[in-house]
Amino acid sequence: SAVISQKPSRDICQRGTSLTIQCQVDSQVTMMFWYRQQPGQSLTLIATANQGSEATYESGFVIDKFPISRPNLTFSTLTVSNMSPEDSSIYLCSVETGSNQPQHFGDGTRLSIL
Amino acid sequence: GQQLNQSPQSMFIQEGEDVSMNCTSSSIFNTWLWYKQDPGEGPVLLIALYKAGELTSNGRLTAQFGITRKDSFLNISASIPSDVGIYFCAGYNAGNNRKLIWGLGTSLAVNP
Repeated sequence: SAVISQKPSRDICQRGTSLTIQCQVDSQVTMMFWYRQQPGQSLTLIATANQGSEATYESGFVIDKFPISRPNLTFSTLTVSNMSPEDSSIYLCSVETGSNQPQHFGDGTRLSIL
Repeated sequence: GQQLNQSPQSMFIQEGEDVSMNCTSSSIFNTWLWYKQDPGEGPVLLIALYKAGELTSNGRLTAQFGITRKDSFLNISASIPSDVGIYFCAGYNAGNNRKLIWGLGTSLAVNP
């Protein structure tokens, strides 16, 4: 399966600031996704990162708060904007390597907002 | 959004024991996936199931795609301490185009 690298692995940020998380894959993939996982909880899909076009956001998530880029088939970024303590969570990137293939995950970014 | 019913929520067992956990859905699924998540890491795919009735093994792990297409189970035989972690079921239902639906997880603790 693809090797997925996320940076940073963790960060502590001040309220009101923004942080951009990077997801790099070692091979071209068809689909890339961004998830949020709050402590002790399951995974919640934020959006599907579309190559060359705007991301597709799930209900409850908006582009102004979570802008996403996907400039090519191996890289995507998620920005968490104007952070508040409620944004403290793990943010995970996942990929599908082909049609009808299962998703594989990066190790996540652990974000704490003070 | 839709979630899968995963049980049990947590388990505490002795090393060497067998473990069983399951997931159910109110709708038909065409893919079932089982992941394990260790602390500080992302979920790792254990087993993928694509056909009703399919039974697949990965070492000491065995998972089955229920014949009704609304459930799946995961068994772990002869548990060892490194089996500790959170196990998630996930799947694609027949009507939803590639949005993965998740269970709430089963937390497994193994007493050596």
